[in-house]
Amino acid sequence: QVQLVQSGAEVKKPGASVKVSCKASGYSFGSYDINWVRQVTGQGLEWMGWMNPNTGNSGFAAKFQGRITMTRDTSIATAYLDLSSLRPEDTAVYYCATRDRNKFAAAASFDFWGQGTLVTVSS
Amino acid sequence: QSVLTQPPSVSGAPGQRVTISCTGSSSNIGAGSDVHWYRRFPGTAPELLIYGNNNRPSGVPDRFSGSKSGTSASLAITGLQAEDEADYFCQSYDNNLSGPWVFGGGTKLTVL
Repeated sequence: QVQLVQSGAEVKKPGASVKVSCKASGYSFGSYDINWVRQVTGQGLEWMGWMNPNTGNSGFAAKFQGRITMTRDTSIATAYLDLSSLRPEDTAVYYCATRDRNKFAAAASFDFWGQGTLVTVSS
Repeated sequence: QSVLTQPPSVSGAPGQRVTISCTGSSSNIGAGSDVHWYRRFPGTAPELLIYGNNNRPSGVPDRFSGSKSGTSASLAITGLQAEDEADYFCQSYDNNLSGPWVFGGGTKLTVL
């Protein structure tokens, strides 16, 4: 069965960077795009970006411009989210999730999710 | 503030039927974008519950159903059970946003 297992909780100071990993199993890693979604406490889910594990191509929401990098290591079927210049308002649970790139974007759902990684940004 | 609007909480007694609404706009649900629903138990990964407005992934019981009309969608749960207590989120696609996949704020379902 498809499984996405994320790295553990992180505590960072403002201005630092964080790298969250997402290890995939149970399917061919390149079959689905990996997306990153976060939830700030008390708020809804927020889509951050996507990455094609085959090509490394990625796209992201404008609000993360200049701060977000998504990479992968295909040898270990793992995707990474790097978020830099952290602010207290980046304190959130970060999720990775698969999306079928063959589906029309307006019809696409996030079919499998990781368990989430809590990132706390505090001085 | 989420692009899609959900009630913060709903509740119902075992055996009852509850619905959770998801209100969007002409640039997302009203533009014909599909609506999907997710369920999340505390501390666990969200799971896809309904996709493409009204389709259930294998393993999801038919007590769960989705519908869409105009700029809104709904998730209905019949025969409410204690184990249905969870957070529920809707999701769609917005034509006008650079972060096009959008979510609701989530609804906490309490089984009385």
